[in-house]
Amino acid sequence: EDQVTQSPEALRLQEGESSSLNCSYTVSGLRGLFWYRQDPGKGPEFLFTLYSAGEEKEKERLKATLTKKESFLHITAPKPEDSATYLCAVMDSSYKLIFGSGTRLLVRP
Amino acid sequence: DAGVTQSPTHLIKTRGQQVTLRCSPKSGHDTVSWYQQALGQGPQFIFQYYEEEERQRGNFPDRFSGHQFPNYSSELNVNALLLGDSALYLCASSFGQGTNYGYTFGSGTRLTVV
Repeated sequence: EDQVTQSPEALRLQEGESSSLNCSYTVSGLRGLFWYRQDPGKGPEFLFTLYSAGEEKEKERLKATLTKKESFLHITAPKPEDSATYLCAVMDSSYKLIFGSGTRLLVRP
Repeated sequence: DAGVTQSPTHLIKTRGQQVTLRCSPKSGHDTVSWYQQALGQGPQFIFQYYEEEERQRGNFPDRFSGHQFPNYSSELNVNALLLGDSALYLCASSFGQGTNYGYTFGSGTRLTVV
């Protein structure tokens, strides 16, 4: 069965304290791995798509990497405005997105 | 450029009632998917519409049904509401299969069943 597991469930960081979020997955026919950011009461906002092992993408303080079984979202020198829930999703062979439960990130000033 | 628009933003219904949620996709998008997001969980796939037909469906009962109109907008209908149907319902649109950018999500409809 296709499955996505994210860890940790919650993460508290001090402003400027770098860290990583993990997303492990099992899926048949991976068509892409997606990272989204979700603010309270809002829909998910697209961050990155990764397609193959070894691929990396960056955007401001965020960097996403992909291996054959997991992906990492690295946050460098985070700011309070980076506080949100970060969702990982895989697109399966039928093109639907399967989401993990997310990591709730809180960055304190 | 308007993104995905959903209405209403909030809704309170009684058990056993029926509800209709509406979605207008992002301009240029032709595929609409619906997701249910319970509190503290990731979104769960309900179904996807393309060319006015249901293309695929997740593990949701027949009480959940939908429709896509010629202008690509979509409705989600839920009959015989249960307390467990309380959730944030998200509409997502894409052009075709959405492989490059996943899907663009709306802000959702918060449904509370009492």
